[in-house]
Amino acid sequence: SQKIEQNSEALNIQEGKTATLTCNYTNYSPAYLQWYRQDPGRGPVFLLLIRENEKEKRKERLKVTFDTTLKQSLFHITASQPADSATYLCALDRDSSYKLIFGSGTRLLVRP
Amino acid sequence: NAGVTQTPKFQVLKTGQSMTLQCAQDMNHNSMYWYRQDPGMGLRLIYYSASEGTTDKGEVPNGYNVSRLNKREFSLRLESAAPSQTSVYFCASSASTGASNQPQHFGDGTRLSIL
Repeated sequence: SQKIEQNSEALNIQEGKTATLTCNYTNYSPAYLQWYRQDPGRGPVFLLLIRENEKEKRKERLKVTFDTTLKQSLFHITASQPADSATYLCALDRDSSYKLIFGSGTRLLVRP
Repeated sequence: NAGVTQTPKFQVLKTGQSMTLQCAQDMNHNSMYWYRQDPGMGLRLIYYSASEGTTDKGEVPNGYNVSRLNKREFSLRLESAAPSQTSVYFCASSASTGASNQPQHFGDGTRLSIL
């Protein structure tokens, strides 16, 4: 069956360091991968989208990679700040449809 | 712009009661979605509406019904609530029909407890 895995353990890092979050998937061939941020008590907010033929995408301090051979996406936040503390969700399109399948998210804690 | 607005924000029901969760978007989006989010399980799609006038089942539709009232509004109904439906419910919308390269815009959720 189709499966998305994100590390369920929180990632705890020092302010100023680079945070790297992982999204692995199996039994998929997604055309697109999206990353969202979710704060407690709020809905997810879209951050970045990367296509299968793109290796890397950047937006300000954010960088996403998409390796279709490894079936993995990495999400990087450089020069992390306490305000970056949140849960980050990855999502893949289901069979190239407009329906998304979401991972369960990884919580990031950035210590001042 | 408000984006996606969900009402109510919180609700407690007794087993067997019914209720309707409301969702409205002001972005002129074609597609709308209902998800539930449970601890450790991620967002799961309940129903979606690709465009006004159409609805279809998602991953976990049992126990729910939906209505796409118009382009702006998409409601989710629990006909006979069960404790297993205790969850946080999110409504989302996206611009295009049939395009997976569109970001989804979410409301802030309805926290529903079934006793």
